[in-house]
Amino acid sequence: GAVVSQHPSRVICKSGTSVKIECRSLDFQATTMFWYRQFPKQSLMLMATSNEGSKATYEQGVEKDKFLINHASLTLSTLTVTSAHPEDSSFYICSARTGRAGELFFGEGSRLTVL
Amino acid sequence: GNSVTQMEGPVTLSEEAFLTINCTYTATGYPSLFWYVQYPGEGLQLLLKATKADDKGSNKGFEATYRKETTSFHLEKGSVQVSDSAVYFCALSGLGGQNFVFGPGTRLSVLP
Repeated sequence: GAVVSQHPSRVICKSGTSVKIECRSLDFQATTMFWYRQFPKQSLMLMATSNEGSKATYEQGVEKDKFLINHASLTLSTLTVTSAHPEDSSFYICSARTGRAGELFFGEGSRLTVL
Repeated sequence: GNSVTQMEGPVTLSEEAFLTINCTYTATGYPSLFWYVQYPGEGLQLLLKATKADDKGSNKGFEATYRKETTSFHLEKGSVQVSDSAVYFCALSGLGGQNFVFGPGTRLSVLP
């Protein structure tokens, strides 16, 4: 199946700093990528939909100035958590869609810990 | 809007027991249905899928049948293993991957 890779898998940062997470589709072109946040023992919460070459569409309640999403190419989307705070600590997962079949392929996830 | 409901966990079974995780959905039109699995500390992996009524998805001994009359997509496995311990998510998507929705997830623990 298609492969989506996230990097880094784990990151620890100090409060007030910014962290960038990359999501790459390794063997296909992804016109649309999605970013999710997962709290412990809970389901995935869609944060935003990222379309190549255009601005991301954010879900209600997600701060677009805090969670900057860039989808500069058909194989790369980035999520930057700006001025991170301990409450931003979470597991962030990206996914990419192939074609119109409705199937999503997920990255391995990135665990962010803000001290 | 579209929604997915799953049985609450955690589910704890002994090795070789029979597994059923219930999933029902609400959707307009004819959604595609999926089961994803998340092993500890990892992202989600597609386990199986079905794209139309009466389709049966299967993989690694797991099966689920798309039942339009009962709007269900229950996950089953005849004999679970310790390595099946994970969180299982039922999901649906509309035409063209629109309105992709996940259920809350069901945590499965299989004891040796």
